[in-house]
Amino acid sequence: DADVTQTPRNRITKTGKRIMLECSQTKGHDRMYWYRQDPGLGLRLIYYSFDVKDINKGEISDGYSVSRQAQAKFSLSLESAIPNQTALYFCATSDRVGKGGNTDTQYFGPGTRLTVL
Amino acid sequence: RKEVEQDPGPFNVPEGATVAFNCTYSNSASQSFFWYRQDCRKEPKLLMSVYSSGNEDGRFTAQLNRASQYISLLIRDSKLSDSATYLCVVNPVNNAGNMLTFGGGTRLMVKP
Repeated sequence: DADVTQTPRNRITKTGKRIMLECSQTKGHDRMYWYRQDPGLGLRLIYYSFDVKDINKGEISDGYSVSRQAQAKFSLSLESAIPNQTALYFCATSDRVGKGGNTDTQYFGPGTRLTVL
Repeated sequence: RKEVEQDPGPFNVPEGATVAFNCTYSNSASQSFFWYRQDCRKEPKLLMSVYSSGNEDGRFTAQLNRASQYISLLIRDSKLSDSATYLCVVNPVNNAGNMLTFGGGTRLMVKP
């Protein structure tokens, strides 16, 4: 079974609809992240959470909100979807077990492909 | 200027070839560097960390040049299975740990 799961895997919706993307992990990691990926732009950080009581905005948080329901669950919401939010969304987790520096490996979920019409 | 820049490619190489990718980063105080691999429509996965002294893992060699602010990835004896997008990833020092900045990726296509 995958350590980081995302639901749904694909979603097509209309402008103005509220959408929630969910992420669950069984790795026992404290830290979770939401990214979006657009062609040629790389992954950009939307929100991140270092523990259940900690939520932080990333590079491109406008139009998004998150909820950290438990250590293992981190959901991303689009309150009123717009077409330029069409992208591939990834959830990731990390913990303090890396070597050679203060950055730890991030483990990604399989992604959610969202299309906003 | 992007914080992490890569040539998007694609790099088309025959099996068995040696291929190298470079990546430049803008924050001179960056501390940690990585290469991630991303297959088409899949999630990124860590390929290797990049250490100041350089490091090698089988056919893959990563090097860091702090003076010129670039990192490189060398792949020897390319296999068909190496076809993927390679993401250069940097952790700027002024982040509260674990905060990664991703390049746009370099696409590699290895052909028979």
